[in-house]
Amino acid sequence: EPEVTQTPSHQVTQMGQEVILRCVPISNHLYFYWYRQILGQKVEFLVSFYNNEISEKSEIFDDQFSVERPDGSNFTLKIRSTKLEDSAMYFCASSEEGTNYEQYFGPGTRLTVT
Amino acid sequence: DQQVKQNSPSLSVQEGRISILNCDYTNSMFDYFLWYKKYPAEGPTFLISISSIKDKNEDGRFTVFLNKSAKHLSLHIVPSQPGDSAVYFCAATLNTGNQFYFGTGTSLTVIP
Repeated sequence: EPEVTQTPSHQVTQMGQEVILRCVPISNHLYFYWYRQILGQKVEFLVSFYNNEISEKSEIFDDQFSVERPDGSNFTLKIRSTKLEDSAMYFCASSEEGTNYEQYFGPGTRLTVT
Repeated sequence: DQQVKQNSPSLSVQEGRISILNCDYTNSMFDYFLWYKKYPAEGPTFLISISSIKDKNEDGRFTVFLNKSAKHLSLHIVPSQPGDSAVYFCAATLNTGNQFYFGTGTSLTVIP
């Protein structure tokens, strides 16, 4: 069964450093998303991406964040200068065009900022 | 802005009995609701959904009920199985976009 994959599973970085979280969505999906979940809190929407551009973003997704689809398979989330409060699980998701309500999530990347 | 709320952080149910997970929302413009299940160290997995024009959707052991006037939805699992033990998130979306608003989750434990 097709699945969304994410790498790395755990990333430790120092405050102020840049990190890139990588995702490989399901191959025939056209909508892509990033979410995060701070420990013990709810899953929060960050951004959605379609047709090589951001279609929607939340207040969390400020100038420190960017997304890119550098090739036909990867979808990346970059945090330019990490802060302690960026420590969270980051989930990538994808969905088919026309059925974008059913989003398929990856296993997540645990980001720890020290 | 907690637009989707799950007020019960945990629930324990005996195997074979019914599990009822509840979710409340505040935004009357939500037009689609979903339930996701999450195991530790995995991403959320889609379970079942319901459109705002319906009040019930059933898929095997899982049934979602929507009460729009009360802004409340619930997920019924019957019969409950130990493998159902997981964290369950409800989510809602507006018809104007594809952003999901998640609740904080309810941890279900099904006791054998």
